[in-house]
Amino acid sequence: GESVGLHLPTLSVQEGDNSIINCAYSNSASDYFIWYKQESGKGPQFIIDIRSNMDKRQGQRVTVLLNKTVKHLSLQIAATQPGDSAVYFCAENPPFNQAGTALIFGKGTTLSVSS
Amino acid sequence: DAGVTQSPTHLIKTRGQHVTLRCSPISGHKSVSWYQQVLGQGPQFIFQYYEKEERGRGNFPDRFSARQFPNYSSELNVNALLLGDSALYLCASSSGDGPYGYTFGSGTRLTVV
Repeated sequence: GESVGLHLPTLSVQEGDNSIINCAYSNSASDYFIWYKQESGKGPQFIIDIRSNMDKRQGQRVTVLLNKTVKHLSLQIAATQPGDSAVYFCAENPPFNQAGTALIFGKGTTLSVSS
Repeated sequence: DAGVTQSPTHLIKTRGQHVTLRCSPISGHKSVSWYQQVLGQGPQFIFQYYEKEERGRGNFPDRFSARQFPNYSSELNVNALLLGDSALYLCASSSGDGPYGYTFGSGTRLTVV
């Protein structure tokens, strides 16, 4: 299985499987985190977000887990479908500084779903 | 309701030239942010504008500049283009000055030759 914090640049799953995408964030003071899905030729699309005072949040077929101890974020997609195939990015919002409310994006993971 | 619209969708420029990219936010959104996405990487923050004032600037050279107009649309300008400026330039809008409710446009693909 995957180790906590291990980022995989690609993930291949079968339709119907559950997918887990991991992300390590950089700033321990970040207070807001977002997962985005980006399809080819399109801009990032919001999936789900979580604030630092939570450790889990669920949406429709998606769950985000936040582990502040090891600065780790994960996205779980239930019953993965071919339409879920895309590049997934996590993003963090560090405390307001000269960069305003910029988002810092992590390395993307390309999810490929085969039917 | 129209989303975030960016123009042009594709652009080819020569090294040393200047380029202007345009963004129209979602109606009612007062904040516009610009990001650069190099192929194979995540977006990198360039600028944020809220209520026509610059609220944040990323680690980009002074060749990059932006402004926001009274109707909240925005322009990103890049002078003295380099090959390394080739990227997808993304605009995101939100109603407040925070990152909540960010909506991204589809971007402008800039190629510098």
